[in-house]
Amino acid sequence: QQQVKQSPQSLIVQKGGISIINCAYENTAFDYFPWYQQFPGKGPALLIAIRPDVSEKKEGRFTISFNKSAKQFSLHIMDSQPGDSATYFCAAISMGYGGSQGNLIFGKGTKLSVKP
Amino acid sequence: ETGVTQSPTHLIKTRGQQVTLRCSSQSGHNTVSWYQQALGQGPQFIFQYYREEENGRGNFPPRFSGLQFPNYSSELNVNALELDDSALYLCASSLSENEQYFGPGTRLTVT
Repeated sequence: QQQVKQSPQSLIVQKGGISIINCAYENTAFDYFPWYQQFPGKGPALLIAIRPDVSEKKEGRFTISFNKSAKQFSLHIMDSQPGDSATYFCAAISMGYGGSQGNLIFGKGTKLSVKP
Repeated sequence: ETGVTQSPTHLIKTRGQQVTLRCSSQSGHNTVSWYQQALGQGPQFIFQYYREEENGRGNFPPRFSGLQFPNYSSELNVNALELDDSALYLCASSLSENEQYFGPGTRLTVT
């Protein structure tokens, strides 16, 4: 059973446009929601993350919107650039206490292509 | 760059063989998690080590095993390799309850 559902599978956006990727989760024990960016042949790189006690977090051109009641969160990339072309993964984790933590549950990924 | 390194970068093995992958965690991090990423898929959790003890395991068979050393580096061992084990193997390091940072991965091909 997939615990984190991500859509769309692929996305094509014109340069300067807004890219929106959506995720939904099932497990209410999740308390940390990161987004990772992955270029071909590379490991995932942490992009931005949010905790469920806030509804929005913005870092530069990247914004996470979080809806706790709907168990949904989304990544918005403003002024999308060709260099943003990559695969984006949402993830969820129960961060744990006392030194240890749970494991990341990833969505299946969204391949973003930004056309010049 | 995250400071997490993995070796080797690529390797090719034959079905039935054994393989050891290595990960050096970011300085100061005490937790290492291993993930398997099949082509076109999101990473899948294999197991996690916290202060040299296994601290959780995903849905992988016992032929996937690991170690964490006193300097918090880690190994992933896979015995009796199968064709479906072909994937990118990622390790991620973290400090206790904080964010996980991934290495570049090891691309394993089983023929």
